[in-house]
Amino acid sequence: DTAVSQTPKYLVTQMGNDKSIKCEQNLGHDTMYWYKQDSKKFLKIMFSYNNKELIINETVPNRFSPKSPDKAHLNLHINSLELGDSAVYFCASSQVVRKGRTNTGELFFGEGSRLTVL
Amino acid sequence: TQLLEQSPQFLSIQEGENLTVYCNSSSVFSSLQWYRQEPGEGPVLLVTVVTGGEVKKLKRLTFQFGDARKDSSLHITAAQPGDTGLYLCAGVNNTAGNMLTFGGGTRLMVKP
Repeated sequence: DTAVSQTPKYLVTQMGNDKSIKCEQNLGHDTMYWYKQDSKKFLKIMFSYNNKELIINETVPNRFSPKSPDKAHLNLHINSLELGDSAVYFCASSQVVRKGRTNTGELFFGEGSRLTVL
Repeated sequence: TQLLEQSPQFLSIQEGENLTVYCNSSSVFSSLQWYRQEPGEGPVLLVTVVTGGEVKKLKRLTFQFGDARKDSSLHITAAQPGDTGLYLCAGVNNTAGNMLTFGGGTRLMVKP
């Protein structure tokens, strides 16, 4: 069984369209994330979400919105797609592990969804 | 601006050589993780370091967390083609909601 699964793996669409990427984790983790990896392989946090709190990276345009129907799912909805949105989007999950003042929980990543906006 | 700077960005070496990848920041991190990513897959955790000066070994890989918890290094001894991949350091910053922030990555290619 895949721990973190996301669909679709590939998505090609036109500028201006609205699209969603789905993510599910079967690890029982309390926190899920969305990351964007650009063509230079830089991995940038977009959202962090658990059942208590949504943390949004302030640089993420409000065209991007996370939607969580339940603890095991965190979907990413994107409105009015732009060329610059082309990237690989990774979903991840973790169980927060407090060690002193820090969280050392390991991130488990999905295989990524490659979005191409034409 | 990246909080974590990795160097080198690219490294191509022959099998059997040793190498070191550096991860530097002006910020203090409460903990730091190293991940390895292969093409078409998501990153996979290699190690977590928490204490300043901490050294951890994973077979031929040695990880060190700087005394001030602002930097880290990954040393690979006798590199093998199977070590090829993208190596990412990631720091936990308590002032950023404990979210993990990644460095720019080091792409390593080990030629047989």
